[in-house]
Amino acid sequence: DVKVTQSSRYLVKRTGEKVFLECVQDMDHENMFWYRQDPGLGLRLIYFSYDVKMKEKGDIPEGYSVSREKKERFSLILESASTNQTSMYLCASSPLWGGSSDEQYFGPGTRLTVT
Amino acid sequence: KQEVTQIPAALSVPEGENLVLNCSFTDSAIYNLQWFRQDPGKGLTSLLLIQSSQREQTSGRLNASLDKSSGRSTLYIAASQPGDSATYLCAVRSAGGTSYGKLTFGQGTILTVHP
Repeated sequence: DVKVTQSSRYLVKRTGEKVFLECVQDMDHENMFWYRQDPGLGLRLIYFSYDVKMKEKGDIPEGYSVSREKKERFSLILESASTNQTSMYLCASSPLWGGSSDEQYFGPGTRLTVT
Repeated sequence: KQEVTQIPAALSVPEGENLVLNCSFTDSAIYNLQWFRQDPGKGLTSLLLIQSSQREQTSGRLNASLDKSSGRSTLYIAASQPGDSATYLCAVRSAGGTSYGKLTFGQGTILTVHP
């Protein structure tokens, strides 16, 4: 079974702090994604990566950065947390696009509250 | 820009009923469509993936169909059970252009199956 794990289920941070959200997958997937999910807005893509050290902006990259130093690990960084970044953050991974099975597999989510 | 709409937004049915959830998308240039389930406060669980060349996929009591030309997909749940209560999301992976590979999600249908 594909396993995607996220470092924290719940996180509370103060405005202005630097925040790291970690995601690890154990299926040797090439692609990894960070989404945020908000009521009424659904899931929105923040960043994705299709290879080590490669990254692409999604729909809402402002205020975020990412790091992918190893294939299995994809980190989301909030450089200076703000209250409007309070949200549920979901990490996902998938095999290389165009393969026989390119489903996206999601982690359990991190509920981040910025006060 | 791809847009995904799910109808109805919420559905409440008695146990044992067969039901249909609907998903429509505006741009038929898709690579695949994926149905997910999300329990409250949790991540997404992949239910079914339909490639653009396929018409339907089945898994147990679930059957998903795809009509790419009309931009529609349905998720059929047979003999519903209280354990099926969750939010069901559909997502399309667009093909080509700047949105290549990106998943666009619908807002979801909240399903409640009461005993």
